[in-house]
Amino acid sequence: AIRMTQSPSSFSASTGDRVTITCRASQGISSYLAWYQQKPGKAPKLLIYAASTLQSGVPSRFSGSGSGTDFTLTISCLQSEDFATYYCQQYYSYPLFTFGPGTKVDIK
Amino acid sequence: EVQLVESGGGLVQPGGSLRLSCAASGFTFSSYSMNWVRQAPGKGLEWVSYISSSSSTIYYADSVKGRFTISRDNAKNSLYLQMNSLRAEDTAVYYCARVQAGGWLYWGQGTLVTVSS
Repeated sequence: AIRMTQSPSSFSASTGDRVTITCRASQGISSYLAWYQQKPGKAPKLLIYAASTLQSGVPSRFSGSGSGTDFTLTISCLQSEDFATYYCQQYYSYPLFTFGPGTKVDIK
Repeated sequence: EVQLVESGGGLVQPGGSLRLSCAASGFTFSSYSMNWVRQAPGKGLEWVSYISSSSSTIYYADSVKGRFTISRDNAKNSLYLQMNSLRAEDTAVYYCARVQAGGWLYWGQGTLVTVSS
């Protein structure tokens, strides 16, 4: 099974900061990677798929990059509504999906 | 508008059973594969099970294999998860989600399952 790791597991940031979250797969997954944002008590929201394609309606301050085993999610200018937990998900081994453990971004 | 609405969660004793439902609307349900995903309190997302549009292909996470059964009724636009031999570690919010190429855009609001004596 493909295992996903994320770093850091949590961190504090301020509005306006540029933040980067890293996701690593235990084996190459090409670009079959999605990023989700989840707020407490809510279902996850799709931000990015195919590693770097922004889902329609998602602000352009979100971007994704990477392929193979190493991926990043970048928020160029953190807004108050961006404080949340972020998950990566591989779908290379469809239909056996795996999520990363999550990265919680909270207010400094 | 695509909607997925889960139901059937609740409190159940260890070893007990529960059946979750996911009612789909706003799209051609019979054309899409579906998943169940769960999230234990304060924990991350865990994929649980997958079913293809025609029910011909089914997969389970190792953690639930042999205890949970996924099914669907395309005539009723409904997805199900039969959960047997429940354990404390199955306590979680259970979400249904629609499979599509490149990430899962549509999720239900979740239903809470609590396994406790």
